[in-house]
Order: sequence, then C-alpha cells, then structure tokens
Amino acid sequence: DAKTTQPPSMDCAEGRAANLPCNHSTISGNEYVYWYRQIHSQGPQYIIHGLKNNETNEMASLIITEDRKSSTLILPHATLRDTAVYYCIVSYISSGSARQLTFGSGTQLTVLP
Amino acid sequence: DAGVTQSPTHLIKTRGQQVTLRCSPKSGHDTVSWYQQALGQGPQFIFQYYEEEERQRGNFPDRFSGHQFPNYSSELNVNALLLGDSALYLCASSPGFGELFFGEGSRLTVL
Repeated sequence: DAKTTQPPSMDCAEGRAANLPCNHSTISGNEYVYWYRQIHSQGPQYIIHGLKNNETNEMASLIITEDRKSSTLILPHATLRDTAVYYCIVSYISSGSARQLTFGSGTQLTVLP
Repeated sequence: DAGVTQSPTHLIKTRGQQVTLRCSPKSGHDTVSWYQQALGQGPQFIFQYYEEEERQRGNFPDRFSGHQFPNYSSELNVNALLLGDSALYLCASSPGFGELFFGEGSRLTVL
C-alpha cells in the first residue's frame, strides 16, 4: 500500500469547517483513499472513502485532487465531539480478501470552543 | 443491532503467560481482522480470518495465533507474553470486502 503523510496536529474552532490534508504521492491506479478517526480510548470509526471522484456522506466530504496525489477531508461544521485522531489510509481491494489497512500516525484534530 | 464486541475490556498478565482475547463480529459480517495498537501509535495489522481460515497476516511472530468459529466469532491468542505486547488489541469485522467496523478493544498490560 502507498504511504501517506499527514500533519501531526491541527486545531479548528467549533462550528467552522475542519480541513484535514493528506499526501499520497505514490498512490497507484487501483488504490482507494480511506479516512478513519479514533476518539480517545475508542476503536477507529470509518468516515469515508473514494477512488477518483469527490465523495460526500452525512459525516464528511472527501476531495481528491485530479492527479490523486493528495486529498482533503472536510468536516463542514466541526463540534467538540469531532476531536480525535484522523487517519488517512491508502488501500486496494484484493479479490478474495477484505481490506488490510495500514495506519500511520494520523492527525490529532482538536476542536476548540 | 450490536456492533463489534470484545472481551475482556482490560486485563493484566505477567511475562511468559498466555492470553486469549475474544471478538464477536457485527451481525452479518463474516470476516474478522485483529490489530495491535501500542500507546501513541496507529493500529498495526496482525491477521485476518475468513471462512475459519487465516487469509492474511501482518509482520507478527508465531506467538500470535488466532481462530475463527463457525458463527464467525474469533479469538486472538498470544503465547509467552513480553512486556512489549502491552497494547490495545482491536478487532474489526466486515461483510466480505466491505468496510471495517472496529470494536472498542481489549487493553492488555504485561508486567
């Protein structure tokens, strides 16, 4: 799986959009970009994933650049409960097996009141 | 609908002992993966079970072994515990190739 680079920490004001960047310059054509988050002392939680096109769900939006070498996770209206470590992961779907995820160190997002 | 459940939530062992951790997957999920998360680090993949067989394995020694039962539940066994095995052990389930859903983990402390 391709390696990802994320800033170690970010702050965001409550109610504002949180934009979390991720670089994955060695991503290959069949690799997806996944985002998970981990709130302190809990298991990781799936947020969103995408291949080429921008994606949106009830939690967040994922913007992938045209060359697919970087992406941004957007939390449109951050709340205090969004304070967590956010992991950007690149992974491919291998036929015959579910996804094996390689987690890096992630970005610690702190939402400030 | 219950999510992924793990037991025990916390346990303390001494070096050289053996430990068994248990995981019940989310309803309808047939694939179980195990991850180890040391303090301050991201989770690291241990292995994955599907149809009662180990399908993929990460870079972990043979002291780490597992099992999946016909009802899809799973166990993680660690033999000859080392201090470095102290970590949060996470179980994740998925419906085949679907997204992973993680449990809250079992925190193991080795003294």
